[in-house]
Amino acid sequence: DAGVIQSPRHEVTEMGQEVTLRCKPISGHNSLFWYRQTMMRGLELLIYFNNNVPIDDSGMPEDRFSAKMPNASFSTLKIQPSEPRDSAVYFCASSLRTVSGNTIYFGEGSWLTVV
Amino acid sequence: AQSVTQLGSHVSVSEGALVLLRCNYSSSVPPYLFWYVQYPNQGLQLLLKYTTGATLVKGINGFEAEFKKSETSFHLTKPSAHMSDAAEYFCAVSDQGGSEKLVFGKGTKLTVNP
Repeated sequence: DAGVIQSPRHEVTEMGQEVTLRCKPISGHNSLFWYRQTMMRGLELLIYFNNNVPIDDSGMPEDRFSAKMPNASFSTLKIQPSEPRDSAVYFCASSLRTVSGNTIYFGEGSWLTVV
Repeated sequence: AQSVTQLGSHVSVSEGALVLLRCNYSSSVPPYLFWYVQYPNQGLQLLLKYTTGATLVKGINGFEAEFKKSETSFHLTKPSAHMSDAAEYFCAVSDQGGSEKLVFGKGTKLTVNP
């Protein structure tokens, strides 16, 4: 089975440009998560969706960040305008929530460098 | 609020030696506990998880962890380290029946010396 698929895997962009990261969750999963990983702050949850609805976006750093999930098989994380401090690895993850809990599966990450 | 503390950001062991990575959690509700491994330039892979029931949990690659409620701990062990175990390990917690989001520790980087 295909895992969580993220694109692009690597992106280098100039400050001020718009960045869009894409994610395809595992088929049948009903929850989707966006995490950011940096050396300084470790792994931080930015936002998560359940059944395509945003449940908790308290981790989204500021208005420059936005996330959408238009359907069960696709999500985007957008940064506009981008800044050098946004340089990080962005992970998308998905899970199937059941009465006995859930296991979150991660994609390979999108490595973003803003110069 | 939940939190995870991983004692030791770097752990170094010799090949064949015991691996012990420490994790303590804080949670006001019964927790689900997880260990993930991250190899260089890769995503996170689930090693093992505790939900309910047996407190000693076995995972992939010979790793296991024991949930100790009285100590609020979920330490990861492996009897004999292999070179291929060199990676970064993350402990994480979520709450049972509530939010499914994971709160991660800062990670422990394991080095295995020949």
